[in-house]
Amino acid sequence: NTVMTQSPTSMFISVGDRVTMNCKASQNVGTNVDWYQQKTGQSPKLLIYGASNRYTGVPDRFTGSGSGTDFTLTISNMQAEDLAVYYCLQYNYNPLTFGSGTKLEIK
Amino acid sequence: EVQLQESGPGLVKPSQSLSLTCSVTGYSITSNYWGWIRKFPGNKMEWIGHISYSGSTSYNPSLKSRISITRDTSKNQFFLQLNSVTTEDTATYYCARWDGGYSGPYYWYFDFWGPGTMVTVSS
Repeated sequence: NTVMTQSPTSMFISVGDRVTMNCKASQNVGTNVDWYQQKTGQSPKLLIYGASNRYTGVPDRFTGSGSGTDFTLTISNMQAEDLAVYYCLQYNYNPLTFGSGTKLEIK
Repeated sequence: EVQLQESGPGLVKPSQSLSLTCSVTGYSITSNYWGWIRKFPGNKMEWIGHISYSGSTSYNPSLKSRISITRDTSKNQFFLQLNSVTTEDTATYYCARWDGGYSGPYYWYFDFWGPGTMVTVSS
């Protein structure tokens, strides 16, 4: 299976911060990576697809980048409503595999 | 708008079968792909499998011997059956639509999700 290693596991941040989280694939997955946001008690929401395409309605402070094995999700100007767990997902290989998540918490 | 809703028992005994239903409104399951995903206590997420617009299926090899995904197009529902459950199958189970497109490379994503249903395996 393709292992998606997310880092860091958690981050303590302040409103207004620039936040960067990473996802490293154990093999080349091209740009076949999505990013999802999951708030407590809610289902995951799609943020970024195809590594760098912002989904409809997603604020432009969310940016995805990367290809091959290294991927990044950046939140510029962090807002309180962005507190959540963020997951990457690769769909280049079967089975689809998720990263272990990065949890954003208030400092 | 596309809406999905999971339903099923919240408690299942070890060695028994877990059966879940995903009811879809606002879109026909005879289009696109429809998947099951689960989230374990502690945040780990696992893709379980898909059923396509034509009824073909794709399963996670780690579960393939125990799972079956089927559908009822007349009710616009699809189903998950997971056999021989253990406490390791305790999780929140989500159904979601798997959609995609082309913009140079092909892309895919889960764009609509149900709220999830928590299933506990315990005697």
